[in-house]
Amino acid sequence: NAGVTQTPKFRILKIGQSMTLQCTQDMNHNYMYWYRQDPGMGLKLIYYSVGAGITDKGEVPNGYNVSRSTTEDFPLRLELAAPSQTSVYFCASSYSGSPRVDGYTFGSGTRLTVV
Amino acid sequence: DQQVKQNSPSLSVQEGRISILNCDYTNSMFDYFLWYKKYPAEGPTFLISISSIKDKNEDGRFTVFLNKSAKHLSLHIVPSQPGDSAVYFCAAHYNQGGKLIFGQGTELSVKP
Repeated sequence: NAGVTQTPKFRILKIGQSMTLQCTQDMNHNYMYWYRQDPGMGLKLIYYSVGAGITDKGEVPNGYNVSRSTTEDFPLRLELAAPSQTSVYFCASSYSGSPRVDGYTFGSGTRLTVV
Repeated sequence: DQQVKQNSPSLSVQEGRISILNCDYTNSMFDYFLWYKKYPAEGPTFLISISSIKDKNEDGRFTVFLNKSAKHLSLHIVPSQPGDSAVYFCAAHYNQGGKLIFGQGTELSVKP
């Protein structure tokens, strides 16, 4: 059981380039999330999805786009990369979105550097 | 606007003693609070949670206390072990949308 898989693990981008961070889960979870972790700042929610075809903005959505065409996949797109997007990105999933029922499973992260 | 705050960036404790990690929040609409543990180069892993209608939840060596009037929660680890050395994140759950809001994290170091 792979859980939440993120690719790539590391990436260096030049300013203005674009890329897609991939996230796949095999637990049939309805809810999926993208967070970024900056040093000393905790995790900030970028976008989330409560099911295929449904996405919504989190705390820090600017500069990012997402899509959710299947239950399993939730890619995060960076357009026109900027140094401020240098961060570690975590994808997470949950069956119900409620801690009453289950926790959130996180991927191992993608470390992105924009130079 | 930091709704969930962990004011201690780091904590060092001797093996076998108690570790106490603290977390403060500002929003009364949170319905659940969670603690996550994170090792370097790994994603956070769920540790323990507490409902906003409870004041204590215990799971083995880990106990979380919630003081709603003070908008404060704490994680107690007894006894602390070297394998507990990690970054601990406090998170609060919004009832709508299943969103988690995280604190900044506290790095715990348990020394043998």
